[in-house]
Amino acid sequence: AQKITQTQPGMFVQEKEAVTLDCTYDTSDPSYGLFWYKQPSSGEMIFLIYQGSYDQQNATEGRYSLNFQKARKSANLVISASQLGDSAMYFCAMREHSGNTGKLIFGQGTTLQVKP
Amino acid sequence: EPEVTQTPSHQVTQMGQEVILRCVPISNHLYFYWYRQILGQKVEFLVSFYNNEISEKSEIFDDQFSVERPDGSNFTLKIRSTKLEDSAMYFCASGTVASQHFGDGTRLSIL
Repeated sequence: AQKITQTQPGMFVQEKEAVTLDCTYDTSDPSYGLFWYKQPSSGEMIFLIYQGSYDQQNATEGRYSLNFQKARKSANLVISASQLGDSAMYFCAMREHSGNTGKLIFGQGTTLQVKP
Repeated sequence: EPEVTQTPSHQVTQMGQEVILRCVPISNHLYFYWYRQILGQKVEFLVSFYNNEISEKSEIFDDQFSVERPDGSNFTLKIRSTKLEDSAMYFCASGTVASQHFGDGTRLSIL
């Protein structure tokens, strides 16, 4: 069964606007973590933000924030004030804490294009 | 800021040959991972390594693959008898519970 679902293969946003990238997940583990990564065309994976399942507040890192809705099992990434350099592939990933291996399970990714 | 370092950045190898991909994780991290990404696809977990042994491996990680931590800093992935379908970007990662940092990857091309 798909554990991480990113339903938007591609998104467009106007420069300086905010954009939300969707991510839903499925787990029976009560303790887990959710990650977002950015992959530019050069190929590297850049860690953006982390949300733990027990965190009381939504995570924020600069222009990135995570809209965590636990009951709906969603962890959407919000990018505020989009910049041309935000154009990239974005991956949502989940880490289940039971088992202690820490592996990440990735979604299929969303390609974001920022228009000038 | 500390980072995960991978070498080489690009490796071209003839089918059937062995390759070794190298990684230097972030020094105070205890968990190490290899992932791969076939062109245009999502990132797939291969293997995790903790306390000097494999803690989990995926179905992809069969007898063709092996990992080692030969010294206190390096972490290697060996692929024996490479096949065309092994062509992919291979990422090393290291982390803690609340973070997992990736190297820039090694692009492996099998001819």
